[in-house]
Amino acid sequence: DIVMTQTPLSSPVTLGQPASISCRSSQSLVHSNGNTYLSWLQQRPGQPPRLLIHKISNRFSGVPDRFSGSGAGTDFTLKISRVEAEDVGVYYCMQATQFPQTFGQGTKVEIK
Amino acid sequence: EVQLVDSGGGLVQPGGSLRLSCAASGFTFSDYSMHWVRQAPGRGLEGVANIEPDGNEKFYVDSVKGRFTISRDNAKNSLYLQMNSLRAEDTAVYYCARGRITDYWGQGTLVTVSS
Repeated sequence: DIVMTQTPLSSPVTLGQPASISCRSSQSLVHSNGNTYLSWLQQRPGQPPRLLIHKISNRFSGVPDRFSGSGAGTDFTLKISRVEAEDVGVYYCMQATQFPQTFGQGTKVEIK
Repeated sequence: EVQLVDSGGGLVQPGGSLRLSCAASGFTFSDYSMHWVRQAPGRGLEGVANIEPDGNEKFYVDSVKGRFTISRDNAKNSLYLQMNSLRAEDTAVYYCARGRITDYWGQGTLVTVSS
């Protein structure tokens, strides 16, 4: 199974300041079809997960442009350019190159 | 509007069985792989099972192999998870999700395995 490792596990951030989360996979996420199925999901308290970014850097419909994804191969990053109060929650990276999907441990973003 | 409605959760004794359902609407169900993902209380997300659009290929996390069966009925726009020989560690909220990128999720259904 592909192991996904996120850092940090907790990220206290001041409103309006940037935040960054890293994710590393135990093997390359490049699929045989050439795509890299690395996604980022947000889970607010009491809610199901919500897709933010797919295939490394593609923002899903309705996701604010302060969220961006980057990376390649085995190293990936989610950045929030200016954290807003509604961004509080847990963020997960997920690989879907190999089934079943595997997830990082989650990073809790909270306001200082 | 894409909708996924999970149902079928509840309280079951260890060793018991439960069948979860996910009713899909707002898209062509037969075009998408579908997935079950679970979240134990206070824990992270775990991929449980996947099924390809035609139902011919299925994948399971090791911890449920031989106990859980994923299936789908494309005529009824429905996804299922048959769970047998349930254990305490299967206690979780179970979500269905659409497509490889899991762009839409159900609201989840809680399964509690306890005597």
